[in-house]
Amino acid sequence: EAGVAQSPRYKIIEKRQSVAFWCNPISGHATLYWYQQILGQGPKLLIQFQNNGVVDDSQLPKDRFSAERLKGVDSTLKIQPAKLEDSAVYLCASSLVSTIYFGEGSWLTVV
Amino acid sequence: QKEVEQDPGPLSVPEGAIVSLNCTYSNSAFQYFMWYRQYSRKGPELLMYTYSSGNKEDGRFTAQVDKSSKYISLFIRDSQPSDSATYLCAMSEEDYKLSFGAGTTVTVRA
Repeated sequence: EAGVAQSPRYKIIEKRQSVAFWCNPISGHATLYWYQQILGQGPKLLIQFQNNGVVDDSQLPKDRFSAERLKGVDSTLKIQPAKLEDSAVYLCASSLVSTIYFGEGSWLTVV
Repeated sequence: QKEVEQDPGPLSVPEGAIVSLNCTYSNSAFQYFMWYRQYSRKGPELLMYTYSSGNKEDGRFTAQVDKSSKYISLFIRDSQPSDSATYLCAMSEEDYKLSFGAGTTVTVRA
């Protein structure tokens, strides 16, 4: 069974630039999550989708972050404009019921 | 106070030793308790999953949950160099929204 796919794996951008991350969840998983993991910390939930509807985006900095899940499958997370403190790993995850599976992450460095 | 506190480490142990990892939490509504392993430059990988209190064993790994003390543990027996990683505890209420600890980095010396 294929896992959660993410791209790009690594990205370096200058502050105030924009960046987009893509995620393809495990086939059949209705729930998709984006987490932010800052170095030395545990992952923090940014947004949760159930099919193509948003379940929870309370921790998403909506002035600069946006996310969508088209047709209830793939998802894109965008940051515009990026700040230095956005340097982190952006983890996409998916679940069928209770078990959450993570992708390998997209590593963002903002300089 | 953070919702989930994890012993910060790092831990360095000789091969074959028992590794003990611990987390405490403040939210009494947490029902699901998990341990994830994260290798360098990789995403978290689910190791153990426990519902409510009790013990669960899977090979060299044992997870314990004590809801009365709001305390969970992971034990790794006969540790191997391949166990060197960061271990994250995570927990959730019935909504499955995970709250993570900050992680403990473990190094097993050959």
